[in-house]
Amino acid sequence: DAKTTQPTSMDCAEGRAANLPCNHSTISGNEYVYWYRQIHSQGPQYIIHGLKNNETNEMASLIITEDRKSSTLILPHATLRDTAVYYCIVRVGGLNSGGSNYKLTFGKGTLLTVNP
Amino acid sequence: ETGVTQSPTHLIKTRGQQVTLRCSSQSGHNTVSWYQQALGQGPQFIFQYYREEENGRGNFPPRFSGLQFPNYSSELNVNALELDDSALYLCASNVRGAGTGELFFGEGSRLTVL
Repeated sequence: DAKTTQPTSMDCAEGRAANLPCNHSTISGNEYVYWYRQIHSQGPQYIIHGLKNNETNEMASLIITEDRKSSTLILPHATLRDTAVYYCIVRVGGLNSGGSNYKLTFGKGTLLTVNP
Repeated sequence: ETGVTQSPTHLIKTRGQQVTLRCSSQSGHNTVSWYQQALGQGPQFIFQYYREEENGRGNFPPRFSGLQFPNYSSELNVNALELDDSALYLCASNVRGAGTGELFFGEGSRLTVL
């Protein structure tokens, strides 16, 4: 799986948009970008994923550059409960794949602190 | 729908002992993965179980072993515990061959080895 680079930490004011960047310059054509977050003392939680088109769900938006070498996770209106470590992961996606394709390779992620 | 549940939530062992951690997968999920998360690090893949067999393994020694049962629940066993085994152990489940590839994680079992 391709390696990702994320800032160690970021701050955001409550109610403002949080934009978390991720570089994945060695991403392959069949690799998806996944975002998970981990609130302190809890298990990681899936947020969103995408291949090449921008994606939006009830939690966040994912913007992937045209060359797919970087992406940005956007939390449109951050709340205090969004304070967490955010992990950007690239991996082969798709159905009926072998066991290794369901392995997630986590880096250290970005600690997002939302301030009141 | 019941999520992924793990037990125990916390436990303390001494070096050289053995430990068994348990995981019940989310309802309808047939694949279970285990991850180890040391303090300040991201989770690291240990192995995955599907159809009661190990299917994919990370860089962990053989003293880390597991089982999956017919009801898809799973156990992680660690023999000859070392101090560096102190970590949060996370279980995750998914449906092989369906869904979007996302994993659903439990809250973890925090193991302290003294």
